[in-house]
Amino acid sequence: AQSVTQPDIHITVSEGASLELRCNYSYGATPYLFWYVQSPGQGLQLLLKYFSGDTLVQGIKGFEAEFKRSQSSFNLRKPSVHWSDAAEYFCAVGSPYSGGGADGLTFGKGTHLIIQP
Amino acid sequence: EAQVTQNPRYLITVTGKKLTVTCSQNMNHEYMSWYRQDPGLGLRQIYYSMNVEVTDKGDVPEGYKVSRKEKRNFPLILESPSPNQTSLYFCASTAGTAYNSPLHFGNGTRLTVT
Repeated sequence: AQSVTQPDIHITVSEGASLELRCNYSYGATPYLFWYVQSPGQGLQLLLKYFSGDTLVQGIKGFEAEFKRSQSSFNLRKPSVHWSDAAEYFCAVGSPYSGGGADGLTFGKGTHLIIQP
Repeated sequence: EAQVTQNPRYLITVTGKKLTVTCSQNMNHEYMSWYRQDPGLGLRQIYYSMNVEVTDKGDVPEGYKVSRKEKRNFPLILESPSPNQTSLYFCASTAGTAYNSPLHFGNGTRLTVT
């Protein structure tokens, strides 16, 4: 069974500083990996996804993530955060062997990002 | 505008009083799903549907029912709500698979059961 761990419940970063949110997964092969963002009072929005190929993927809003097979990680990064990045971030893992539908994703518990002025 | 619409946004009810949370999408998506979000637990899937008249249990289906009589609608039914169902609920849909197209989420329904 697949699982995903986000070790940090809360992270506080100063505006303009760099950001890295950690995500570790457990799966027997290379999974499909996703990062979603949830702004206050909103549903989740897809930031980026990794299926195969280049291990560094670019997403929306200036985010990127790097897949590291040796570390079973898919960490999210941004070189300079803005106050509007304050949100809840969810890493998710999916099995390439499932139907890939809405049943296919397992979400982490989320990391709450706080931006200090 | 493409969207997933949930109603109501907020709901306070008492134990045992049946309720329905509606979900509608205007994107002609086949897949729809319900999640609950609880502090420290993240998102957990309640039920999902791959098409009209096709539904299946997710990770935490106990105490919930769903139906998919039309492609656009996927209501969540709590026949006899209990306080442990107090949570934030999200409906989501996707075109084919969550791998080829992103999940589109509604804005959530915050349910309190007293």
